[in-house]
Amino acid sequence: DAGVTQSPTHLIKTRGQQVTLRCSPKSGHDTVSWYQQALGQGPQFIFQYYEEEERQRGNFPDRFSGHQFPNYSSELNVNALLLGDSALYLCASSLAGPSGYNEQFFGPGTRLTVL
Amino acid sequence: DAKTTQPNSMESNEEEPVHLPCNHSTISGTDYIHWYRQLPSQGPEYVIHGLTSNVNNRMASLAIAEDRKSSTLILHRATLRDAAVYYCILRPYNAGNMLTFGGGTRLMVKP
Repeated sequence: DAGVTQSPTHLIKTRGQQVTLRCSPKSGHDTVSWYQQALGQGPQFIFQYYEEEERQRGNFPDRFSGHQFPNYSSELNVNALLLGDSALYLCASSLAGPSGYNEQFFGPGTRLTVL
Repeated sequence: DAKTTQPNSMESNEEEPVHLPCNHSTISGTDYIHWYRQLPSQGPEYVIHGLTSNVNNRMASLAIAEDRKSSTLILHRATLRDAAVYYCILRPYNAGNMLTFGGGTRLMVKP
C-alpha cells in the first residue's frame, strides 16, 4: 500500500518565480493538507482540501494557492517566491471525519530552496 | 487555540523507558491530545492520541493527568530508531484537520 507521495523531492527557484508542488494521498484517503516547515521549526499549516475545495486555511498569504483533483491528488502553488519561502513542504492525507481522532499520514516532503 | 509546552530536548539510553512530558493547562473539554514524531529527513508520523483515559498501542503509551492539564508519552524501551522530534498537539473535536505544531522535544538515544 503506497503511502503519501510527493514530487519533486528537491527544487531550486529564484526570487519572483512561481512553483508547483504535487501530492498523491494514501490510498483511500480523500482529504489533503499542506504544511510548511522552516529549518529547525515545527510544521505550519497552510491549507486543507476536501471535495476539491479549500476547507480550512492557516495564516498564509494569497500567494499560496492549491487545487485538489477528482482523484484526490493535490497541488500547492506559490507565486512571486520570496527568500523566506525556502522550506520543506509537507503534504498530509486523511479520511474526512471528526478531527479529534483521525490520523494524518505525511509524505516525505519537497525541499524548496529560493535563491 | 490551546497551547502545549514541551522541553526542548531529552536524552535517553537505549533499551530504557522514556517519559516525554507535555503541559497543556488551557486544554478545553473537547480537545484530543495527539502525539506525532518526526524522524530525521522524514515527514511527521502519528504516534498515539487520547481524550481522558490512558491509551496503549504498539508504539507507545499515553498517560493523561486526571485534570487533563498535562500528559506523558511513554516509550517502554527506547531504540536508536526512536531518536526524533516528538510533538504534543491538541486537536479540537470536529474542528478541521489542522495540526498546530509547537517546537516539540528532540529525543536523543544513546547506545
